[in-house]
Parts: sequence; C-alpha cells; structure tokens
Amino acid sequence: RKEVEQDPGPFNVPEGATVAFNCTYSNSASQSFFWYRQDCRKEPKLLMSVYSSGNEDGRFTAQLNRASQYISLLIRDSKLSDSATYLCVVNSNTGKLIFGQGTTLQVKP
Amino acid sequence: GAGVSQSPRYKVAKRGQDVALRCDPISGHVSLFWYQQALGQGPEFLTYFQNEAQLDKSGLPSDRFFAERPEGSVSTLKIQRTQQEDSAVYLCASSLVWTSASYEQYFGPGTRLTVT
Repeated sequence: RKEVEQDPGPFNVPEGATVAFNCTYSNSASQSFFWYRQDCRKEPKLLMSVYSSGNEDGRFTAQLNRASQYISLLIRDSKLSDSATYLCVVNSNTGKLIFGQGTTLQVKP
Repeated sequence: GAGVSQSPRYKVAKRGQDVALRCDPISGHVSLFWYQQALGQGPEFLTYFQNEAQLDKSGLPSDRFFAERPEGSVSTLKIQRTQQEDSAVYLCASSLVWTSASYEQYFGPGTRLTVT
C-alpha cells in the first residue's frame, strides 16, 4: 500500500464547477501536509499547506482530518487555468516529502 | 530572483552509459533534495543533503545511483550503467532551512532522462 493515496482521475468538469479531491495517508505520525500543483511537463509548485483547522485561499479550500488520516482540496468556480495535476503531499518528519500519484483535473469551456 | 536550475534539461543515454545530472539550488538554501518522477506518477524521494552532508539516501534505488554536494551548494546525481527503468524525470528541490515543521521546497524544472 502506498503511503499517500489519491484517485488519479481524470476529473473532467465544466468551467464554474466545484470539484473536490481527496487523499489518504498511512503514517499517523505525519505532521505537515500540502497540496502541490503540477502543470504538464513542469515542476511541482506549492499550492497551499493544509492545517487541521482547515484553510482557504481564494477559491481553494484545504481540510485535514487527522483521525481519518484524510486530506481534501476543494476548488470552487473552476477556471480553465486550473487544469493541472494536483499532488497530495505529506512531510515524513525526516525532511523528505511523500507524494501521492496525483489527480488530474481538466476544466472544459 | 533566480530559482533552482538543473542541467541538462534533456538527456538521452544508451543503456550502460553513465550520466551526471546537475542541480543549482537557490542561493543560501541549506537543504537540497533529489526526487525521481516516472511517467504518470508523483515524485519519489531519492536523497537529501543538509549543506554538504548527505543525511538520507534511503530512496536511491540501487548502488548505481550516487549523489554528492561537496561544497554545500551545487549537487550532482550520478547514475552508472544506466538501465531502461532509470528513464524518468529527475527533480531537484531546495529549501532555506530544515525542520520537522512545515516548510516549502522549491523545485527545479527537472532533467528528463531517456535510456534507449
């Protein structure tokens, strides 16, 4: 079983839709959690950190449920420019980042 | 300012050749990481340096893989006797500090290695 699991998708949604991605992690001792965005043939870039209290950045909301070891990302009013792969990432507490497989989002006009 | 740079951006190697991949981290960044990303997968950790010290090399897939950062800045990932399964994008990331708390790693554009 992978340490971080995500549904690879693809998720095909129309512009303006709300879409949610989920991810589970296996190491209950993990302390830090992130969502990274990766465009086709580009490097991953940090989208947002994820906190237990939940956090919001514009149209993006991230939530962490430690009891269920579950992380989510909600994108509201999706734009064409949101089309990308979204990587769920856990800090192993030894410095290295553990990435999920990524979930591909395609926003259609 | 300048981000993480990697060279070459693309490398084609014949099976059995040795390759060397270079990473220039952001100036002043203490920590440097190497990841391997196969097609359709997320990046997987290879190794980690804090300054010139290699603190974790648990992700290196075999003894054909070797990384160094002799002066605590530029790093080189070397792959000896390349195999087809080594074909992947090799990503380098750097971070200003290392703690167990949240911090951001900045990624370079990667080197796409194809072994024929």
